[in-house]
Amino acid sequence: AQTVTQSQPEMSVQEAETVTLSCTYDTSESDYYLFWYKQPPSRQMILVIRQEAYKQQNATENRFSVNFQKAAKSFSLKISDSQLGDAAMYFCAYRSAGTGYALNFGKGTSLLVTP
Amino acid sequence: GAVVSQHPSWVICKSGTSVKIECRSLDFQATTMFWYRQFPKQSLMLMATSNEGSKATYEQGVEKDKFLINHASLTLSTLTVTSAHPEDSSFYICSARLGLAGNNEQFFGPGTRLTVL
Repeated sequence: AQTVTQSQPEMSVQEAETVTLSCTYDTSESDYYLFWYKQPPSRQMILVIRQEAYKQQNATENRFSVNFQKAAKSFSLKISDSQLGDAAMYFCAYRSAGTGYALNFGKGTSLLVTP
Repeated sequence: GAVVSQHPSWVICKSGTSVKIECRSLDFQATTMFWYRQFPKQSLMLMATSNEGSKATYEQGVEKDKFLINHASLTLSTLTVTSAHPEDSSFYICSARLGLAGNNEQFFGPGTRLTVL
């Protein structure tokens, strides 16, 4: 089974600064998808960014970008120009490209944004 | 984007009773829905995968007879917690998968908080 590891239970960043959240995963598959989800206090899961393993180019969505290192099985999230609304739990998730399609989540990183 | 609703958003019940949680895809057909469970300050753990018209596939350690899942239509899946006990108190989240292609995204419902007294 695939495992997803987020080694940072909590992170803090000042408003307008940049922060990077770490994620590593373990898999024997060559084709898969990786995601970062945000869970604010409302508990609604919000997709931040996704990356297809077959794509070498790192995904970018406005202030959010990833550093995908397939050989190292690393998938970090960089948040630029942090805003107070970015404060939330962030979950890294893995999904096989094969059958099932369920997401396998890491334990999460709580991001605090200070003014 | 696609919208998934859950009902109820919050339920309190007595120990020994059953509770049904509904998950609906409002503006798309979902051939596959997923049920997750999240304890306070913890991650989401997959409970089961629900496919329309067939029996759900449960993850190891999840009791099939306790957590009954029905996916009777392309827009509705239900999770029934039977004979609920305080240890079943948790946050239950469903997600629905759009389409059949391998890269289709999942959309999450807002979750249901279950408290068993």
